[in-house]
Amino acid sequence: QTVVTQEPSFSVPPGGTVTLTCGLSSGSVSTSYFPSWYQQTPGQAPRTLIYTTDSRSFGVPDRFSGSIVGNKAALTITGAQADDECDYYCVLYMGSGISVFGGGTKLTVL
Amino acid sequence: EVQLVESGGGLVKPGGSLRLSCATSGFTFTKAWMSWVRQAPGKGLEWVGQIKSKIDGGTTDYAASVKGRFTISRDDSKNTLYLQMNSLKSEDRAVYYCTMVGSGWYLGHWGQGTLVTVSS
Repeated sequence: QTVVTQEPSFSVPPGGTVTLTCGLSSGSVSTSYFPSWYQQTPGQAPRTLIYTTDSRSFGVPDRFSGSIVGNKAALTITGAQADDECDYYCVLYMGSGISVFGGGTKLTVL
Repeated sequence: EVQLVESGGGLVKPGGSLRLSCATSGFTFTKAWMSWVRQAPGKGLEWVGQIKSKIDGGTTDYAASVKGRFTISRDDSKNTLYLQMNSLKSEDRAVYYCTMVGSGWYLGHWGQGTLVTVSS
């Protein structure tokens, strides 16, 4: 069974740039997987950031961008702010109506 | 404004059943594909399953972990989504979120979730 992989944790200094990735335990991520990204602060429902690889959801600042980097989907945050410190999840569409979440990345802004 | 409001969570014994509801407003429910996502305490998000609009066939798909035990349905006359959960296990304990599926297989809007606890 293919697993969607994310870095368990990442750290970025305030004002810095960080790229979180979303890969597959077997194979490469392409736009055909329709990668999407979600942000979740503790105790809150997730918020949609990016869909279909690089489209920003309504109201999401352009500090957040999505792309394919190498064989993975990527979420890049530029000018990191304190309130960017939370969990980030990717989802990949596996076909046949099935989507799978990555394990999530806990981002620290420090 | 899109609103998704889950209800029906609570405490249930292992092997028991529970039905969650998601009341929706602010969009054309009949055209929407809908999904359920869950999150066990302190854990990551897990896609549970989805249902297409009746126009698109109304078919359902499920994660392997719940297939055969959970059933997603919809009542377009009530703009409401359901999740029938049977043969519940302790590992089904989670907050269950109702979401709207956007074109491009993404989860576009989220409810606030309802907590399901499975314990004897």
